[in-house]
Amino acid sequence: DQQVKQNSPSLSVQEGRISILNCDYTNSMFDYFLWYKKYPAEGPTFLISISSIKDKNEDGRFTVFLNKSAKHLSLHIVPSQPGDSAVYFCAASAGETSGSRLTFGEGTQLTVNP
Amino acid sequence: GAVVSQHPSRVICKSGTSVKIECRSLDFQATTMFWYRQFPKQSLMLMATSNEGSKATYEQGVEKDKFLINHASLTLSTLTVTSAHPEDSSFYICSARLHQGFWSTEAFFGQGTRLTVV
Repeated sequence: DQQVKQNSPSLSVQEGRISILNCDYTNSMFDYFLWYKKYPAEGPTFLISISSIKDKNEDGRFTVFLNKSAKHLSLHIVPSQPGDSAVYFCAASAGETSGSRLTFGEGTQLTVNP
Repeated sequence: GAVVSQHPSRVICKSGTSVKIECRSLDFQATTMFWYRQFPKQSLMLMATSNEGSKATYEQGVEKDKFLINHASLTLSTLTVTSAHPEDSSFYICSARLHQGFWSTEAFFGQGTRLTVV
C-alpha cells in the first residue's frame, strides 16, 4: 500500500525554467510534508517542508504547495539550475514529533539541462 | 543544521558474517532514530524505529533477529546485519528528527552505508 506516490519517475527541464515535481498521498492522517534531494550513494538532504495548516511555503528558489482536499503537493524550483539535478523524494508524516516516522514516495529523477 | 553521521560508508563482507553500522547524532540528542533501506531506483523503506532505552519497533516483514538494533545512548544507534546473505546487499540509511520550532521538525539523514555481501 503506497501511501505516498510520486507518479513521475523522471523529469527533464531546461536551465532557467521552472521544475515542478508532484506528489500525492492517500493517508488523511498525514499532516506534515517534506521534500528531500538525494544524490547516489548519499543520504537525503532536507529541502523544504510544509505543515497541513498552510497551503504554501517558500524558501529561496523552492516553493512547496499543498492542496489538502486533493491530497496533493508539489515542489516548484525556479529558476532551475544544473546543480539541481538529483532524485527528489516527497515524504509525509502524521505528527511532527521527533518520534513521528516518515513515509517516502518513490522519488523523481530531475535532470536540468544547461 | 543538525548533523547525523553514519559509519561506515561502504562495507564488503562475506556471507555468514555480521556487519555493524553506526549512526550518531553529532550535535543533538535523538530519543528516536529511524533505519531505512533503499534498493536501486526505489524509495526509502523504513525498516525499524530505534528508541533509546527500549526495544526497537520493526516494520512488517523485517526480521528483528536478523537486523539487530541497539539504541544505547541519546546520540548513538547501531544496526547489525547478522549472518549476512547476498540478498542483504543494499544501501542502509539512518535518520533522526529534530524539532526546530513550532512548525518545523526536520529529519536529518546519515550519509548512508553501501553493504555488499559476497
